[in-house]
Amino acid sequence: GENVEQHPSTLSVQEGDSAVIKCTYSDSASNYFPWYKQELGKRPQLIIDIRSNVGEKKDQRIAVTLNKTAKHFSLHITETQPEDSAVYFCAASWGSGGSNYKLTFGKGTLLTVNP
Amino acid sequence: EPEVTQTPSHQVTQMGQEVILRCVPISNHLYFYWYRQILGQKVEFLVSFYNNEISEKSEIFDDQFSVERPDGSNFTLKIRSTKLEDSAMYFCASRATGTPLHFGNGTRLTVT
Repeated sequence: GENVEQHPSTLSVQEGDSAVIKCTYSDSASNYFPWYKQELGKRPQLIIDIRSNVGEKKDQRIAVTLNKTAKHFSLHITETQPEDSAVYFCAASWGSGGSNYKLTFGKGTLLTVNP
Repeated sequence: EPEVTQTPSHQVTQMGQEVILRCVPISNHLYFYWYRQILGQKVEFLVSFYNNEISEKSEIFDDQFSVERPDGSNFTLKIRSTKLEDSAMYFCASRATGTPLHFGNGTRLTVT
């Protein structure tokens, strides 16, 4: 089955700096890669996702890049703010619109943005 | 924005007891999931459900676990005889065709 590795496990940055979290996956059939933000005691919330037919996607301060050949994808947060502090999970899945989309998650990265 | 709702938010039970965790998926969603997260660890897939049957289940989802969609709105996870290691946050999730997964707020299960 799919295996997703995520690094680093903790990341501390100063407000305004950029943060980068990296993930690798094992199953070359995976074609959907979401990123979730989870605040303490709350649900994982989707912040951005990318499908394997594109290499990069951006949404304001958040971007995700995908390298299918190397089987890795990364989350980039620019101009970090204290409210970005949370645990971030990457995930990988295979599926088309009507299929299963079983997500395999990484172990998470605790991001701390210091004011 | 519609949400997946889960009840209860916290369930405490004794080892060996049965528990039922309840979820109301978003109304037009067709695919339903249960995930769990042991404290401080990653989110793990348990089971997916579509068209009134299990689509896929993980090795965690043994015969102590079952899921049911008893009516048009609820989706339940039953653990027949709880063990200490079942203590975790259980997340229900749902999606429509071609849309991302939406998670509920979770039920924290504590087995004593």
